[in-house]
Amino acid sequence: GAGVSQSPSNKVTEKGKDVELRCDPISGHTALYWYRQSLGQGLEFLIYFQGNSAPDKSGLPSDRFSAERTGGSVSTLTIQRTQQEDSAVYLCASSGPPYNYGYTFGSGTRLTVV
Amino acid sequence: RKEVEQDPGPFNVPEGATVAFNCTYSNSASQSFFWYRQDCRKEPKLLMSVYSSGNEDGRFTAQLNRASQYISLLIRDSKLSDSATYLCVVNPYSSASKIIFGSGTRLSIRP
Repeated sequence: GAGVSQSPSNKVTEKGKDVELRCDPISGHTALYWYRQSLGQGLEFLIYFQGNSAPDKSGLPSDRFSAERTGGSVSTLTIQRTQQEDSAVYLCASSGPPYNYGYTFGSGTRLTVV
Repeated sequence: RKEVEQDPGPFNVPEGATVAFNCTYSNSASQSFFWYRQDCRKEPKLLMSVYSSGNEDGRFTAQLNRASQYISLLIRDSKLSDSATYLCVVNPYSSASKIIFGSGTRLSIRP
């Protein structure tokens, strides 16, 4: 596609429910990144993919968080048993090759856990 | 020490002023550097890459100092529309890798 597409744009869920967030990167981009941003805070790295592999999962906050990428394209971030502290904007970005041209972000999914 | 550090600001300057931000990074082998701009409740957008020799795009000038491990962004003749948070971004490698974002510098331009 022309840009990075994320869905849903907004999600309100009850504490304890599972949620799935989707990211559709720019066509041909092999690297895909997930970040989250709490209100007024910086970007917190979660995970990145190179193709379908995730070389660095170090940012996933707990085992309730998982992500996968299939066909080198769409990625899904799953949060199980959501907690209120999971409320944030979840941002996806994609890039390259080459990788020195920067990263294009989607408009994010705003997750609210009530 | 944080991998990428920025002065959080806020910087509050009058329209037409020149303003500069610095960003320091800890990994001396870092390869790629960028400045991003983030407006309130929006996603970050690429402002400019930072090249070793320095580069300019209109009113914006970016520079890299490898010896002191910092990058800078200079904004000349600032406009009201320049009000945003400016994020410093570092890629430690030339390939895909975990990219490091600074926490951002808030800039507010007043009339």
